[in-house]
Amino acid sequence: DAGVTQSPTHLIKTRGQHVTLRCSPISGHKSVSWYQQVLGQGPQFIFQYYEKEERGRGNFPDRFSARQFPNYSSELNVNALLLGDSALYLCASSTMFQVEEAFFGQGTRLTVV
Amino acid sequence: AQKVTQAQTEISVVEKEDVTLDCVYETRDTTYYLFWYKQPPSGELVFLIRRNSFDEQNEISGRYSWNFQKSTSSFNFTITASQVVDSAVYFCALSGRAFTGANSKLTFGKGITLSVRP
Repeated sequence: DAGVTQSPTHLIKTRGQHVTLRCSPISGHKSVSWYQQVLGQGPQFIFQYYEKEERGRGNFPDRFSARQFPNYSSELNVNALLLGDSALYLCASSTMFQVEEAFFGQGTRLTVV
Repeated sequence: AQKVTQAQTEISVVEKEDVTLDCVYETRDTTYYLFWYKQPPSGELVFLIRRNSFDEQNEISGRYSWNFQKSTSSFNFTITASQVVDSAVYFCALSGRAFTGANSKLTFGKGITLSVRP
């Protein structure tokens, strides 16, 4: 079975632009979470979606939004990019609403210039 | 609020040495889960172990062992006879029991960079 897949793997954007990151969970997993990992830090929780509904939101500005599709894949959108948004964005999928077993993708490395 | 502290930032050992990675956590939840993840240079977080708050038994898996002590809010990770392939960043994480969704997130520490030299 395929693991969690994220696309693209690398991305360079200019300040003020918009970006969309994509995540496909493991087959059968209905929960997707997004994390931001700034260089040298641990991942920070952004969103969790379960059964296409937002179930949790971290301390991020409204420029960050996400959604989950009927096939349980998910998109993370960031508007009006700032230099500080440069980070590794990780997607995690799990079978259940809770995170007892969360499996992570390899991430999308976003660089804002 | 939940918090995970990994006071060690970088550890360097010679191959075959034993090494212990420390993790201290804070939570008001009575039921919670503790995790360790390994992050190689490729970036993917690799799941190593999950322990729930009611299970204080130590666990051993090959060269890896974990010591959970609720009394000191610690969940330490020991690698025995370290190998070069163990070089990575290691994260300790905490999750609360999610009845309402408010605690469904993972709270990570800042990570410990382990370098194992030949």
